[in-house]
Amino acid sequence: KQEVTQIPAALSVPEGENLVLNCSFTDSAIYNLQWFRQDPGKGLTSLLLIQSSQREQTSGRLNASLDKSSGRSTLYIAASQPGDSATYLCAVIPPHGSSNTGKLIFGQGTTLQVKP
Amino acid sequence: DAGITQSPRYKITETGRQVTLMCHQTWSHSYMFWYRQDLGHGLRLIYYSAAADITDKGEVPDGYVVSRSKTENFPLTLESATRSQTSVYFCASSDPRLNQPQHFGDGTRLSIL
Repeated sequence: KQEVTQIPAALSVPEGENLVLNCSFTDSAIYNLQWFRQDPGKGLTSLLLIQSSQREQTSGRLNASLDKSSGRSTLYIAASQPGDSATYLCAVIPPHGSSNTGKLIFGQGTTLQVKP
Repeated sequence: DAGITQSPRYKITETGRQVTLMCHQTWSHSYMFWYRQDLGHGLRLIYYSAAADITDKGEVPDGYVVSRSKTENFPLTLESATRSQTSVYFCASSDPRLNQPQHFGDGTRLSIL
């Protein structure tokens, strides 16, 4: 059974710092991996999606990497800002043959606080 | 506006009552999902649907019923609510043919007394 783990559960950093959030998964057979952001009382907003054949994806100050062989992904946030404060969730989609099942398996998230 | 909307946003009910959470999406996505989010468990899949009239169980389906008569709607029903079903419920949709992430609604916060 696929399990997704995110460590640490919480992280507090000063503004301007570069930081890395970690995600690990137990089964390397994945269709894709996604990083989401969740603000308090809100739904999930997709940040980055990495296909199983890709190594990384970038969007602005965010860079996500994927190493399937080791079952790890990292989300790198450059020059953090107070507005980055939120919970960051990692999720994988297991494949069904070569098809996209769409069924996300989530980690429990890392709650990030960026202090001014 | 295009998007995915959930209603109600907040609901308080009593044990044993039936309650239905609504989900509507405007993208004509074929896939729709219901997740619940709980402290200590994170987000877990309850039910999903690959198309109208096609539904299947996720990780935690007990106590829930779904239907999907139209592509755009995917209601979730708790037939006899229990306190353990107090949670935040999220609906999501996606088109698996596209390499795009799932879109989530803002959630329904359900409290069962």
